[in-house]
Amino acid sequence: AQRVTQPEKLLSVFKGAPVELKCNYSYSGSPELFWYVQYSRQRLQLLLRHISRESIKGFTADLNKGETSFHLKKPFAQEEDSAMYYCALSGKSRDDKIIFGKGTRLHILP
Amino acid sequence: EAGVTQFPSHSVIEKGQTVTLRCDPISGHDNLYWYRRVMGKEIKFLLHFVKESKQDESGMPNNRFLAERTGGTYSTLKVQPAELEDSGVYFCASSRNGYGYTFGSGTRLTVV
Repeated sequence: AQRVTQPEKLLSVFKGAPVELKCNYSYSGSPELFWYVQYSRQRLQLLLRHISRESIKGFTADLNKGETSFHLKKPFAQEEDSAMYYCALSGKSRDDKIIFGKGTRLHILP
Repeated sequence: EAGVTQFPSHSVIEKGQTVTLRCDPISGHDNLYWYRRVMGKEIKFLLHFVKESKQDESGMPNNRFLAERTGGTYSTLKVQPAELEDSGVYFCASSRNGYGYTFGSGTRLTVV
């Protein structure tokens, strides 16, 4: 079954502390993995995708095929990072739909 | 370029009534998707249009939901009759080539 699991509904982290949002997936084949973010009163937007291997707003995510994980990390949290974060996957075909996890609300404490 | 536009942003209706949600994709985007997030659950795929054709409607929950995209431009999602469990946020997204979605801001539907 195709599934994305985000075990934490809420994660509270102090400003300046490291952040790790966990994501595990189940997929038969080689999926594309994404992190989407929704800031307060804004629309859902793509944060990063594993194939681009880039760092956006200080966030990185490494695909670990052995552990089927795609955890999102940032070394020093900032208050503006508070948002809802969704891990997601898709097949590589353009017709494949995106499958989302339930999301983790990240709350950065001052 | 204008983004994906959805309206209304909020809708409160009584059980048994009909509601129609609208999505205007980015101009030139042939792919249009509907997703739904029910409280406490993941964002779930509903269906995918390529131009005016339904490419994949495997996520439509039941026959009370009807999606259309006449002319391959904007899309509507009608719920008739609405039930309490239909409450949630309905997202629309569009894509030029099937990669790189742009999401709308969503419609929050509350059925009372």
